Amino acid sequence: DVKVTQSSRYLVKRTGEKVFLECVQDMDHENMFWYRQDPGLGLRLIYFSYDVKMKEKGDIPEGYSVSREKKERFSLILESASTNQTSMYLCASSPPSKTQYFGPGTRLLVL
Amino acid sequence: DQQVKQNSPSLSVQEGRISILNCDYTNSMFDYFLWYKKYPAEGPTFLISISSIKDKNEDGRFTVFLNKSAKHLSLHIVPSQPGDSAVYFCAASAHTGTASKLTFGTGTRLQVTL
Repeated sequence: DVKVTQSSRYLVKRTGEKVFLECVQDMDHENMFWYRQDPGLGLRLIYFSYDVKMKEKGDIPEGYSVSREKKERFSLILESASTNQTSMYLCASSPPSKTQYFGPGTRLLVL
Repeated sequence: DQQVKQNSPSLSVQEGRISILNCDYTNSMFDYFLWYKKYPAEGPTFLISISSIKDKNEDGRFTVFLNKSAKHLSLHIVPSQPGDSAVYFCAASAHTGTASKLTFGTGTRLQVTL
């Protein structure tokens, strides 16, 4: 079974704080993804990575950065959190086929 | 520009009947389509997929139909069960050479009533 884990289920941060969200997968997948889910907007891709140290912008990268130093780990960084980054953050991984497997999500509240 | 659209935000179906969830897309480069199911406070779970070379794929109670000329796909669940109550997301992918990015619809909340 594919297992994707995310470091926190719930987080509360203050405006301006630097926020790290971590994702780990145990299936040796090349590809990893970060999405945010907002009501009425579905899932929107923030960043993805197809190899260690490789990254590409998704549809809404502004205000975010990512890091992939090891194949199994993909971090999402909010450099200076803002209230409009309050959301559910979902990490996914996939092999070279197209099915992505998701973690349980992190619900982030920025006050 | 919403390339994948799920025009019904919600759907209510009686237990035992058929649930039909619809999805439309605009990008002709999409060649692979997936359905995910999501319960509250959990990540989406992969349900079923279909390649653009097929028009139907079946897995137990779940069948996905693809109509390429209409750029439309649908998910049929029969018979519907209370445990099927969740939000269903349609997703589409175009082979780009690097990681296959998915474009998601906005989701349809299915409620299966007793």
